[in-house]
Amino acid sequence: AQKITQTQPGMFVQEKEAVTLDCTYDTSDQSYGLFWYKQPSSGEMIFLIYQGSYDEQNATEGRYSLNFQKARKSANLVISASQLGDSAMYFCAMRETGGFKTIFGAGTRLFVKA
Amino acid sequence: DSGVTQTPKHLITATGQRVTLRCSPRSGDLSVYWYQQSLDQGLQFLIHYYNGEERAKGNILERFSAQQFPDLHSELNLSSLELGDSALYFCASSFLGQGNTEAFFGQGTRLTVV
Repeated sequence: AQKITQTQPGMFVQEKEAVTLDCTYDTSDQSYGLFWYKQPSSGEMIFLIYQGSYDEQNATEGRYSLNFQKARKSANLVISASQLGDSAMYFCAMRETGGFKTIFGAGTRLFVKA
Repeated sequence: DSGVTQTPKHLITATGQRVTLRCSPRSGDLSVYWYQQSLDQGLQFLIHYYNGEERAKGNILERFSAQQFPDLHSELNLSSLELGDSALYFCASSFLGQGNTEAFFGQGTRLTVV
């Protein structure tokens, strides 16, 4: 069965520093997509970045990059040059390519300190 | 703005009642997903529709039902409401439904059952 694990309930980072949010997943499928979403205190879910299981290069989107290690089944989100506005909940998610169900991890709450 | 519209934003209703949540996907998107976010259960996938057809079911109660109409908007019907149904209900849409396409979320409908 699919499973997403985010082991860090909360993280602190100093403004302008980089931070890594951990995500491990479990699936028996070879083809799947991994996603990260940000949920600020206002509640909306904001798509950040996507990584396909067959993508050879790590995905990057601006200050966000995904450290994808397929053999270890990990898909960590790296946020560079943290900003105060990065304070939010971050969710890792997975969807198998042949299926239509997306599962989410429990989330990591990131606090950026000035 | 993700382009996904959910109405209403807030809903307060009594136990035993029935409510309908509405979702308009982004222009051109064929897939609609419904999620429930509660403090104790996290983000739970409820159901997925693609071009009017149900494609996947998650942890959706029998008291809940959904449909996607020919114009691609979707409705989630919640009946015989219980206190535990209080949650934030998200709709998300994507062009296709496979694992390699990101889904964009609406602002959510916050349901409070009293």
